[in-house]
Amino acid sequence: QKEVEQNSGPLSVPEGAIASLNCTYSDRGSQSFFWYRQYSGKSPELIMSIYSNGDKEDGRFTAQLNKASQYVSLLIRDSQPSDSATYLCAVNRYNQGGKLIFGQGTELSVKP
Amino acid sequence: KAGVTQTPRYLIKTRGQQVTLSCSPISGHRSVSWYQQTPGQGLQFLFEYFSETQRNKGNFPGRFSGRQFSNSRSEMNVSTLELGDSALYLCASSTGQGGGGEQFFGPGTRLTVL
Repeated sequence: QKEVEQNSGPLSVPEGAIASLNCTYSDRGSQSFFWYRQYSGKSPELIMSIYSNGDKEDGRFTAQLNKASQYVSLLIRDSQPSDSATYLCAVNRYNQGGKLIFGQGTELSVKP
Repeated sequence: KAGVTQTPRYLIKTRGQQVTLSCSPISGHRSVSWYQQTPGQGLQFLFEYFSETQRNKGNFPGRFSGRQFSNSRSEMNVSTLELGDSALYLCASSTGQGGGGEQFFGPGTRLTVL
């Protein structure tokens, strides 16, 4: 079992729809959770961070964390073609400094 | 604030050579982490430096090493290059306080080993 798992996709949604990206993790000692967006040929860009159970909203993005079920999700409302990218889930464990464990990423395609 | 910078952006080397990559973090950030990204393995953690000390290390052979200077700039070195070392090498900086803070990535160095 991988430490951080994501559906590889591709996930295709029409423009204006809600895109839902999911991530599960295996280590209950995980304390910090991040979503990154990576366009083809570019480096990852931080979208959201979440540290406690519940929802965190930032513009069109909402991150949801459920530590009991060990999953974290990212919702993108009113999806735009410019949102088409690979979305990476990253997890930081307690007491491991800056070590991030990444999932394989979910490729999102938003069709006009 | 200026972002994370990495030099060089592209490198072509041959097997057996060594290479040094450089990373300058965001001003005020004291932690620099290095990652390797390949199509097959994804993003994998190499090591982290905080206040000139290696704070954490990933599961890579000893050919991969790094260091951090007093101004928080960091370098990583790969000796005796192998074909499998071809990858995008990314560094990320953070404040480093508490260990689990947000990390911001540089543009990466694309290394090709022939």
